[in-house]
Parts: sequence; structure tokens; C-alpha cells
Amino acid sequence: GIQVEQSPPDLILQEGANSTLRCNFSDSVNNLQWFHQNPWGQLINLFYIPSGTKQNGRLSATTVATERYSLLYISSSQTTDSGVYFCAVLYNNNDMRFGAGTRLTVKP
Amino acid sequence: EPEVTQTPSHQVTQMGQEVILRCVPISNHLYFYWYRQILGQKVEFLVSFYNNEISEKSEIFDDQFSVERPDGSNFTLKIRSTKLEDSAMYFCASSQGGFSNQPQHFGDGTRLSIL
Repeated sequence: GIQVEQSPPDLILQEGANSTLRCNFSDSVNNLQWFHQNPWGQLINLFYIPSGTKQNGRLSATTVATERYSLLYISSSQTTDSGVYFCAVLYNNNDMRFGAGTRLTVKP
Repeated sequence: EPEVTQTPSHQVTQMGQEVILRCVPISNHLYFYWYRQILGQKVEFLVSFYNNEISEKSEIFDDQFSVERPDGSNFTLKIRSTKLEDSAMYFCASSQGGFSNQPQHFGDGTRLSIL
């Protein structure tokens, strides 16, 4: 089956810093989503981005489907950005596969 | 913005008991999904459901599990004879279209604790 790898597994930042999270996938995909899991366990949908670039405030994402990777950029990080960021790809029709996540800690 | 709602938020059940987790998908969505996340691990796909039948299921979704859309709004996951290893967060999701052309929207999850 498809492999979804996220890096880095853990990231610690000072408030105000920028960061880039990466998601590599081993096969062609038709759908890719980025999620933020907050400390309460909720999965917040950040981007639906099978290809191209999107921006939403301090966050932006780019997916290069032909090279099988996606990047999530966080600028001017805030403590509320802390949590786990998951990349998920649609594989085998309706079967969405998640990566293991990047745990982000933003320190004040 | 419409949301996927899940109840209860936390369910505590004795091992061996049956449990039903409930979800109300977004009203104009046609595809429904269940996922599981064991504490500290990645989110895992369980099953997708369309047109009143299962369209995909993972190897996790064995005979212990079943899904149902009992009426026009609810989508349920039943776990028969629960085991300790069923303790996890269970997420329901829905999408307007299937396959690749629409994002999946997730509920807040039900935390299931098996004692």
C-alpha cells in the first residue's frame, strides 16, 4: 500500500519563528489534506490541496503531485499553533491514509 | 459552517459489551467514513459508506464492527464484544463527493475507553 512519511517528527519553535513541514508519499494520489490536531484531540481541516499552492492567513501549503510531496508552511508561529500536524492522502478510492504526524511545540 | 457532529464525546464501556458510536454527517454529503486513532498513533481508516452500503473497508474493520445509516441523518459505528485494544478516539467524516474530488470533513471524535 501507499506510504506517507512526514518530517520532522518533532519540532520545537520559539514564538514568531517560521517553519516548514513536509509530507512525502510513495504513489500517485488524487487528494491530499493537511490537518491540525489540537490538544483536545480535534482534527481541524487546514487545506485540501491535491496540487498547487493555497494560503490561509499565516499558513500556506504547496503540493507537487508529480514529485510526490507536499509542504506546509507556518509563518510567525504562535503558541496556539502547537499540536500535531497530519498529512493525509486519498488512496484506493475512498481509503484515506494518514502520515504519522509532526508534533509542533511553540514556546512563548 | 456546517459541521459533522459526534456523540458521545467520551464513552466508557466494560470489556465484552457492545457500543454504538453516533455521527450526524453534513446534511448534503453523500459519503461517510469512520477512522480510529489509538492514543499517540496515527489516524487509521476503518470504513467508507455510500448509497447505504460499504464501499471500502480496511483490514481493521473485521466482523466485530458494523456500520449503519438507520435514518436520513445518523451514521453509526457498532462494535460488538469490545476488547481492551478497541480503546481509541473514533472519528466520523463525510464528504460531498466520493473518490478524489471533495475534501473530507471530520467530527470532533468520540473517545472510547474500554475497562
